[in-house]
Amino acid sequence: QQQVKQSPQSLIVQKGGISIINCAYENTAFDYFPWYQQFPGKGPALLIAIRPDVSEKKEGRFTISFNKSAKQFSLHIMDSQPGDSATYFCAASAGAGSYQLTFGKGTKLSVIP
Amino acid sequence: GAGVSQSPSNKVTEKGKDVELRCDPISGHTALYWYRQRLGQGLEFLIYFQGNSAPDKSGLPSDRFSAERTGESVSTLTIQRTQQEDSAVYLCASSLMAGQGYGYTFGSGTRLTVV
Repeated sequence: QQQVKQSPQSLIVQKGGISIINCAYENTAFDYFPWYQQFPGKGPALLIAIRPDVSEKKEGRFTISFNKSAKQFSLHIMDSQPGDSATYFCAASAGAGSYQLTFGKGTKLSVIP
Repeated sequence: GAGVSQSPSNKVTEKGKDVELRCDPISGHTALYWYRQRLGQGLEFLIYFQGNSAPDKSGLPSDRFSAERTGESVSTLTIQRTQQEDSAVYLCASSLMAGQGYGYTFGSGTRLTVV
């Protein structure tokens, strides 16, 4: 079954702390793993993405770590800021021509001052 | 336009009524997608359009749901005889082309409430 399991459902982090969101997948055909960020009342926006040929990808304060053998990947937000408060979705797709994303259920992050 | 535009932003309808949701994709984007976001759930794929090719309707949950797109322009998602379980945010996205290298740009969605 094509499924992406995301945890935790909600997360509260103090300003300056590290936010960590985890995802696990079952379908070994998945080969593209994007993360989306959604603010209230807005559609999700692509944040960062990784492919299985690398174990880590960093863009500014956002890092994806990927563990192919465990079929897990995670998003780390360093020096979390109140402006990072949003819902984060992990997703996955299989094949370069794939257009359909399978999404996790989302993590609501609250960064408190 | 600069982004993906969806209308209406909110829709309250009575059970059993039909509703039509509209999506204006980014100009030049050939691929268009509809997803459904239920409260506390991830996004569920509904339907995909690519140019003039036959759409992928595999995600439509029942025959009450249908969607159209003319060429590479506006798309409409129609839900007939709405049910309370249809209450959700319906998100439209477009991309330059289909495929992993082309990130989705989502609209802000239509929040549908069936009472």
